Amino acid sequence: EADIYQTPRYLVIGTGKKITLECSQTMGHDKMYWYQQDPGMELHLIHYSYGVNSTEKGDLSSESTVSRIRTEHFPLTLESARPSHTSQYLCASSFRGPGQNFYEQYFGPGTRLTVT
Amino acid sequence: GQNIDQPTEMTATEGAIVQINCTYQTSGFNGLFWYQQHAGEAPTFLSYNVLDGLEEKGRFSSFLSRSKGYSYLLLKELQMKDSASYLCAVLFGQLTFGSGTQLTVLP
Repeated sequence: EADIYQTPRYLVIGTGKKITLECSQTMGHDKMYWYQQDPGMELHLIHYSYGVNSTEKGDLSSESTVSRIRTEHFPLTLESARPSHTSQYLCASSFRGPGQNFYEQYFGPGTRLTVT
Repeated sequence: GQNIDQPTEMTATEGAIVQINCTYQTSGFNGLFWYQQHAGEAPTFLSYNVLDGLEEKGRFSSFLSRSKGYSYLLLKELQMKDSASYLCAVLFGQLTFGSGTQLTVLP
């Protein structure tokens, strides 16, 4: 089973601030993802990475950026937070379990961000 | 484009059986996932289907018909802890999620 960590779990911050949401996994998975989810709504993919030095934008236009300097670490940065960024941010990594012929995404606990 | 439809809400009684449907229209298909998400928590993996037919895993089963663009998740012997949102997601390149079906299990 994967272990994936996100910090902070909750964050309230003022408009215009720069913030970094941390995501780390300890299983050496190459593929990692960031999703945004508003309450009762679908998850939207905002960034993903296939490995070190690989980053791609997802389907949802986002003003955030990501980096992947180390396999286990995939931070997401908002240069200037706005109230429209208020949401839950979920990090995930994917792995192929024993006997599986597919990659399963395993999610972290999420960061609930409020921008005032 | 990608379009995934699920009912918004369903209610069922403890001990009963419930079927949650998912229809999809996507530009490609490499499999369909079902995830469970309790309020305020992260989604957790339930099932994966890539071939037509039924996959059974304990109280949960998932069915896929690729020709109809249709899947369902079947939950048997419902328990109170099954109250959650159930997310259908289609894989083509990356995962595209439906908005989820909020299931409430009543005593």
